[in-house]
Amino acid sequence: DAGITQSPRHKVTETGTPVTLRCHQTENHRYMYWYRQDPGHGLRLIHYSYGVKDTDKGEVSDGYSVSRSKTEDFLLTLESATSSQTSVYFCAISDFSPGTGELFFGEGSRLTVL
Amino acid sequence: AQKVTQAQTEISVVEKEDVTLDCVYETRDTTYYLFWYKQPPSGELVFLIRRNSFDEQNEISGRYSWNFQKSTSSFNFTITASQVVDSAVYFCALSVLDDKIIFGKGTRLHILP
Repeated sequence: DAGITQSPRHKVTETGTPVTLRCHQTENHRYMYWYRQDPGHGLRLIHYSYGVKDTDKGEVSDGYSVSRSKTEDFLLTLESATSSQTSVYFCAISDFSPGTGELFFGEGSRLTVL
Repeated sequence: AQKVTQAQTEISVVEKEDVTLDCVYETRDTTYYLFWYKQPPSGELVFLIRRNSFDEQNEISGRYSWNFQKSTSSFNFTITASQVVDSAVYFCALSVLDDKIIFGKGTRLHILP
C-alpha cells in the first residue's frame, strides 16, 4: 500500500472558520491531488500539485487553496468554511504524469461544517 | 471534454451470482486510460485496474474480469460468483494525456447473503 496519511481524519467546525487538511506521503511521488467526494457527484478534483511550490486548480477549486512546500506534504486550506464544503476529502498521489497512470488514495478526511 | 457514465446507481444481487457493472466513456482523444476503483464500506479507495486505449485485450484477475470495447466506448467490470466482501461502491474513471482523471459517479453494489 502507498504510504499516505491524512490528518485530521474527522473534523467538525463552524461556518466561517479556517480549516487545514494535511496530506503526508512517504513514497516520494511527484504528483499529489486533493479530491472531494459527495453523494451523487463521485470524486471531483479540487487542486493538484506537480512538484514543490507548483500547484494548479481542478474543477471545484473555489473556496480552497493549497500549498506544497515539501515533496511529502500537500495542504488543503478552506479560508472560511461553508456548509457546502461539508464533504469527504481524499488526497491522492502518483508517480505517473497526469493522465497516464493510476492514483493511490489516502483514507479520507471527513469534514462537517455546521 | 471527457465524460464517464455509470448508469447503474445501485445493484443488489444474491451471493454467488455473477454481476456486471457498466461503464461508458466519452473522449475525442485517441490515447487515453481507463481505471476501476473499489470503495468498500470502510471508505478507502482501492485501485483495481488500468487499461490504455491501445490494449483492448480483456483481463481476468481471479473472480474479476474486465471487458474493454472501443467500438461501444465501454469498459465493463464483471464479478463472477460474487461474495459479500464484494459489497462496495465501484468507480470507473478515464484520463487522457496531460489531464486529470475523471471519475464516474459510482455504482453501489450490494451482495446479499
